[in-house]
Amino acid sequence: SAVISQKPSRDICQRGTSLTIQCQVDSQVTMMFWYRQQPGQSLTLIATANQGSEATYESGFVIDKFPISRPNLTFSTLTVSNMSPEDSSIYLCSVQSGQGDGYTFGSGTRLTVV
Amino acid sequence: EDQVTQSPEALRLQEGESSSLNCSYTVSGLRGLFWYRQDPGKGPEFLFTLYSAGEEKEKERLKATLTKKESFLHITAPKPEDSATYLCAVCDTGNQFYFGTGTSLTVIP
Repeated sequence: SAVISQKPSRDICQRGTSLTIQCQVDSQVTMMFWYRQQPGQSLTLIATANQGSEATYESGFVIDKFPISRPNLTFSTLTVSNMSPEDSSIYLCSVQSGQGDGYTFGSGTRLTVV
Repeated sequence: EDQVTQSPEALRLQEGESSSLNCSYTVSGLRGLFWYRQDPGKGPEFLFTLYSAGEEKEKERLKATLTKKESFLHITAPKPEDSATYLCAVCDTGNQFYFGTGTSLTVIP
């Protein structure tokens, strides 16, 4: 299975600022996925990041709030922009591991907005 | 609408007290059902994939089973290090993933 390095692991940010989360995969992958996990909630897909094209956002998520970069087949970033306390969550990147393994996840970024 | 429901939300067990976690699902066509373990502050860690009713997978004290409507994660003689949140996810034939909200397991020494 792929190994994903995600950073930062946690951060406390001021309202109105932005945070960029990075994910590095140890192998080339076509699609990378960004999830949000709010306290006590299930994982919610934010967007799918394909190399060389615009990210595809799920309903309720917009590019202005969550801009994504995918400069190559092993790296992606998610920015949480103009943060408010409601953005406090765990953010996870993931890739499909190939048949049988579903998703492999990064270690997550625990974001607290104050 | 496709849906995944896990129960119970939380479970406290004495060390050695076996039990089962449930994941019920409704999808238009099941491609696979996945179990993950998630420790606090970390990303989910893959445990099992099940593809068809009747299938079973085992790993140490954990055993996952699948029927046409639900999956069980059986924990035999749990230890405190088994304490975690266990997530269930299903993938439908459209390659869409749906996650449950998890069962938080606490094993008391």
